[in-house]
Amino acid sequence: DTAVSQTPKYLVTQMGNDKSIKCEQNLGHDTMYWYKQDSKKFLKIMFSYNNKELIINETVPNRFSPKSPDKAHLNLHINSLELGDSAVYFCASSQVKNTQYFGPGTRLTVL
Amino acid sequence: DAKTTQPTSMDCAEGRAANLPCNHSTISGNEYVYWYRQIHSQGPQYIIHGLKNNETNEMASLIITEDRKSSTLILPHATLRDTAVYYCIALNRDDKIIFGKGTRLHILP
Repeated sequence: DTAVSQTPKYLVTQMGNDKSIKCEQNLGHDTMYWYKQDSKKFLKIMFSYNNKELIINETVPNRFSPKSPDKAHLNLHINSLELGDSAVYFCASSQVKNTQYFGPGTRLTVL
Repeated sequence: DAKTTQPTSMDCAEGRAANLPCNHSTISGNEYVYWYRQIHSQGPQYIIHGLKNNETNEMASLIITEDRKSSTLILPHATLRDTAVYYCIALNRDDKIIFGKGTRLHILP
């Protein structure tokens, strides 16, 4: 009964490649988020969608493009991957704004 | 958002109550105090939040001082599985969450 799931759990790829991370929530929440946790363990919000509409877009390179096909899914596509994109990416969802439920994370390593 | 200050790390013996302090002296009247934790290699987990009154749920209790300038998260009977980084965040309900460095809590057997 996974509430917020992400695939893949690990992703190793070469610089310059394009990759996607998928997120699904079965909680019926209206809002979904993407966070990035870097090597220093700082956790920062990247995007937020409410009912498939983008509501938060932090200062993130436009190589990162979130896509929400429906309110249960928020995928993250990354073009032209760079070494600095290596991090753990967390998806989250909420119904009440700041009570968020996080997924297990996707560890992205760019070589 | 109000800035919060937490100790970098704390130890607590297994089975004892873990009391994690947080200072938020610049908190405004409509800002809530939220607590999250992150167990190693997992996503953050919501614990509890409150505005003025003390709150309790199945995970923890939150004690907020009368002047709201500080609060304490209490894990009543800490277990080894409570070893994690605990984040205290003060924010308006419409604001985005900004995670700080948190307190690294070690539960000792």
